Amino acid sequence: GAVVSQHPSWVICKSGTSVKIECRSLDFQATTMFWYRQFPKQSLMLMATSNEGSKATYEQGVEKDKFLINHASLTLSTLTVTSAHPEDSSFYICSARLRRGTDTQYFGPGTRLTVL
Amino acid sequence: DAKTTQPNSMESNEEEPVHLPCNHSTISGTDYIHWYRQLPSQGPEYVIHGLTSNVNNRMASLAIAEDRKSSTLILHRATLRDAAVYYCILTFNTDKLIFGTGTRLQVFP
Repeated sequence: GAVVSQHPSWVICKSGTSVKIECRSLDFQATTMFWYRQFPKQSLMLMATSNEGSKATYEQGVEKDKFLINHASLTLSTLTVTSAHPEDSSFYICSARLRRGTDTQYFGPGTRLTVL
Repeated sequence: DAKTTQPNSMESNEEEPVHLPCNHSTISGTDYIHWYRQLPSQGPEYVIHGLTSNVNNRMASLAIAEDRKSSTLILHRATLRDAAVYYCILTFNTDKLIFGTGTRLQVFP
């Protein structure tokens, strides 16, 4: 149980285009999902917290207009990188909290974004 | 957020036990201790968590010091598939997991 998927697993795009990444909880309902970014040889950095049906809460320094997050259902959250640039190339990882009252998160396999 | 300190790297031989330490001297009474690991090019994987008592599951054991200022993740028999970066994270009634630099575990055959 507690499986989280991401799609696509990797994507290459041209500078200036937008890219959408999907995160799904496959066998449970996730009221809260999280988005992280990880640069090579670095640790994960939390970008935003997404609650179903409400606006995402972004961490300091993360541009909300550039990284659009939508959490329209209890099993799906999307991250759209708008007007992507080479510096946005990174490993994007989502996670989902199993239920309220627990801190345990289950992570997706990640999406490798390369912006040319 | 209370911080944790872990060694940058550790090594082990296959089928030997591994003890991964974590110091958290500023832990508060209600902070949970979580361990996650990340295999290369994958998302992190939940390993175990605890509050005060030692915990065991199919993956590992968590030994928590009596004063809670440190803990140790124990892999009873390391395999090559256990080679990963292990993160020790404190949480208290919060949504956030703040990842530090973790410990890179190398396992040799």
